[in-house]
Amino acid sequence: AQSVAQPEDQVNVAEGNPLTVKCTYSVSGNPYLFWYVQYPNRGLQFLLKYITGDNLVKGSYGFEAEFNKSQTSFHLKKPSALVSDSALYFCAVRRSGSARQLTFGSGTQLTVLP
Amino acid sequence: GAGVSQSPSNKVTEKGKDVELRCDPISGHTALYWYRQRLGQGLEFLIYFQGNSAPDKSGLPSDRFSAERTGESVSTLTIQRTQQEDSAVYLCASTGTSGGWTDTQYFGPGTRLTVL
Repeated sequence: AQSVAQPEDQVNVAEGNPLTVKCTYSVSGNPYLFWYVQYPNRGLQFLLKYITGDNLVKGSYGFEAEFNKSQTSFHLKKPSALVSDSALYFCAVRRSGSARQLTFGSGTQLTVLP
Repeated sequence: GAGVSQSPSNKVTEKGKDVELRCDPISGHTALYWYRQRLGQGLEFLIYFQGNSAPDKSGLPSDRFSAERTGESVSTLTIQRTQQEDSAVYLCASTGTSGGWTDTQYFGPGTRLTVL
């Protein structure tokens, strides 16, 4: 079985400060990891993914994520938060060779304060 | 089209009625997924279609749920005899032509189902 944990339901950060949204995963074998963002009343938008190679992945809107195999983590980061980054963020995992659907975390609500 | 589209955007129904939700994937995408998102929760996988292969129905919560896909295009998710616990946002996603493990799933805006 595979699972994803997002330990923080809510993250608040001041505009201009760095932000981190945490994600840990549990799979057997090689993981494929994804981050999505959801704005109110809208579907999920893809931000970035880790498949293989460089542990630091850069994605849309200035976001990046670092894959840490020893800690089984894939935290989402941004050096300088914007108010417009306020949204619900989901981490997801798929294991190579397993069923193709994604397993999602429960989501983290990010609020960037002006 | 440019993205995944879903209809209706909102559906309110009475307990016991049947509902049909529609998904139009990105043109040329061979794989299509349905997920359910209950309020305040993450997404739960429901069903997966890949080309002409038999669908993976392992996520369907009960036999009241079914889905069909016509070739590599439109899919319909049907919920029979709806219950209040079926109230959720139903999201559809599609992936690119290779159908590989690393493909990114692109999501539609969802259908918000409310069962009274």
